[in-house]
Amino acid sequence: ELKVEQNPLFLSMQEGKNYTIYCNYSTTSDRLYWYRQDPGKSLESLFVLLSNGAVKQEGRLMASLDTKARLSTLHITAAVHDLSATYFCAVDSSGTYKYIFGTGTRLKVLA
Amino acid sequence: GAVVSQHPSWVICKSGTSVKIECRSLDFQATTMFWYRQFPKQSLMLMATSNEGSKATYEQGVEKDKFLINHASLTLSTLTVTSAHPEDSSFYICSADRELYGYTFGSGTRLTVV
Repeated sequence: ELKVEQNPLFLSMQEGKNYTIYCNYSTTSDRLYWYRQDPGKSLESLFVLLSNGAVKQEGRLMASLDTKARLSTLHITAAVHDLSATYFCAVDSSGTYKYIFGTGTRLKVLA
Repeated sequence: GAVVSQHPSWVICKSGTSVKIECRSLDFQATTMFWYRQFPKQSLMLMATSNEGSKATYEQGVEKDKFLINHASLTLSTLTVTSAHPEDSSFYICSADRELYGYTFGSGTRLTVV
């Protein structure tokens, strides 16, 4: 059974600081996704990582994938308040397009 | 604009009644859609896979008689929560495969059963 864990679950950080969110998964998968969710809203796609070593960046966020370690990271650079949200990683279960979501990381950026 | 539309976005119903949630792919056809539920401050849990023209596939622990899924056309899947109870109150989200763009999530439906 595929399990996806994120660390940390909650994160409070000052504006301007850097931090990394980790996503570990238990079985082989070549597809990993990062999403953002604002309170009461649905999911906003951030990154799609499809191969080992993939790195993608958008603004202050950068995501990477290490399929051998079964680990993805979401790095936040110089955080701003607008990044406050819950971030989920999701792994494609055996290429079936059934996403298994991580536990989520609730990020709060303090001004 | 949104390519996967859900309706309604918010619904309150009485215990014992049924509620239907629609998920539409607006400018593409989707043979497969997925239904998720999310309890407050928790992650998303896959409920079922909706297949156009055939029966839905439910995840373990999801009652198929309670959560009826119909995927009668290539652009519409519906989830009906039958005999709803307060514990069914949740945020329900569908997703559809938009081919080159990957799976896109609907706007979600917040169900409150009183």
